[in-house]
Amino acid sequence: EAGVAQSPRYKIIEKRQSVAFWCNPISGHATLYWYQQILGQGPKLLIQFQNNGVVDDSQLPKDRFSAERLKGVDSTLKIQPAKLEDSAVYLCASSLVGVRGTYEQYFGPGTRLTVT
Amino acid sequence: GDSVTQMEGPVTLSEEAFLTINCTYTATGYPSLFWYVQYPGEGLQLLLKATKADDKGSNKGFEATYRKETTSFHLEKGSVQVSDSAVYFCASIRGGNEKLTFGTGTRLTIIP
Repeated sequence: EAGVAQSPRYKIIEKRQSVAFWCNPISGHATLYWYQQILGQGPKLLIQFQNNGVVDDSQLPKDRFSAERLKGVDSTLKIQPAKLEDSAVYLCASSLVGVRGTYEQYFGPGTRLTVT
Repeated sequence: GDSVTQMEGPVTLSEEAFLTINCTYTATGYPSLFWYVQYPGEGLQLLLKATKADDKGSNKGFEATYRKETTSFHLEKGSVQVSDSAVYFCASIRGGNEKLTFGTGTRLTIIP
């Protein structure tokens, strides 16, 4: 079974530029997540989709971050304009719609973003 | 809100040593608990999980027991190997809520 795919793996941009990340979840997984992992910290949820609807985007900085999941499959996360503090690894994860207490999220390899 | 606190790192051990990485949680209700591992250059992988009190999760020689009375889920392994070198994250999900709350991670290095 193919895992969660992400691209690019690495990206270096200057502040105030824009950047986009792509995620392809595991086939059949209805729920998709984007996390931000700053160096030395645990991942923090930015946005959660179920199919192509947003379930939770309470921690997404909406003035500069946006995400979409067209047709309930692939997703893109965009930052515009980027700030130095956006330097982090951006992780995508997916899961089946789980029975209570049995959620398992499968993570992609991440995109390491460096903003200079 | 929910939170997970885990042992500060980094942790360095010799091969075949006993490992404990402490993890405690705060959550409303009874969350499910997880340990994820991140090997160098790779994404997060689920190592083990427990969904209710007194459950023991185990995988690859690692174990963790869900202790409701101490709100803990400590990770243990009796004899570590160099290949166990990685960053370990404790995490929780509250029942009915699919949002994972992670600890800050513990970097483990095993020396031969």
